[in-house]
Amino acid sequence: QSALTQPASVSGSPGQSITISCTGTSSDVGSYNLVSWYQQHPGKAPKLMIYEGSKRPSGVSNRFSGSKSGNTASLTISGLQAEDEADYYCCSYAGSSTFYVVFGGGTKLTVL
Amino acid sequence: EVQLVESGGGLVQPGGSLRLSCAASGFTVSSNYMSWVRQAPGKGLEWVSVIYSGGSTYYADSVKGRFTISRHNSKNTLYLQMNSLRAEDTAVYYCARDKWEANAFDIWGQGTMVTVSS
Repeated sequence: QSALTQPASVSGSPGQSITISCTGTSSDVGSYNLVSWYQQHPGKAPKLMIYEGSKRPSGVSNRFSGSKSGNTASLTISGLQAEDEADYYCCSYAGSSTFYVVFGGGTKLTVL
Repeated sequence: EVQLVESGGGLVQPGGSLRLSCAASGFTVSSNYMSWVRQAPGKGLEWVSVIYSGGSTYYADSVKGRFTISRHNSKNTLYLQMNSLRAEDTAVYYCARDKWEANAFDIWGQGTMVTVSS
């Protein structure tokens, strides 16, 4: 099982929207609607932002949304705010005959 | 308050062993899927292991045969026994809950650092 592919970095100005892609294969992202997204600020634990591709946990701003098309999942952040600057990781279930989970390499979001 | 608190990290020599603990409060460990996820310094997240509510366990290929996940129900605590440690196991280790059994880690501990070095 290989890691999912994310861009190393993205940037945007306050108020703008950005999208982070997460490309997998037909064995992970393409086969299951079990993609989650995490936000991680420096020195902190990750925080769940999106699960099952597009669901938001209670307390997560509706500025965060998720989607999937084929083997690629996407996280969109609208109305960028300074506090959105962080690392973002996608994650997909990848098990077929056994349980397996793969993460993306992470994307550094810079708010200009 | 729902929270996870890890402990047990430290410096260990290559080939050595270490046991990490993850104490839960506000929910029952044995009723949830619980995972360990690690992050090497300056690197991304890597899933390590999971234990189902039913007790089944699974491991990443990189740790299979060396690490063992378990739990103590009365102590409401998750464990990770790590043997035959290698330099590449150096990382912050997080425990995490998958509340909906949907590959969604909704609660994370603060992490505990494991350094494998001579």
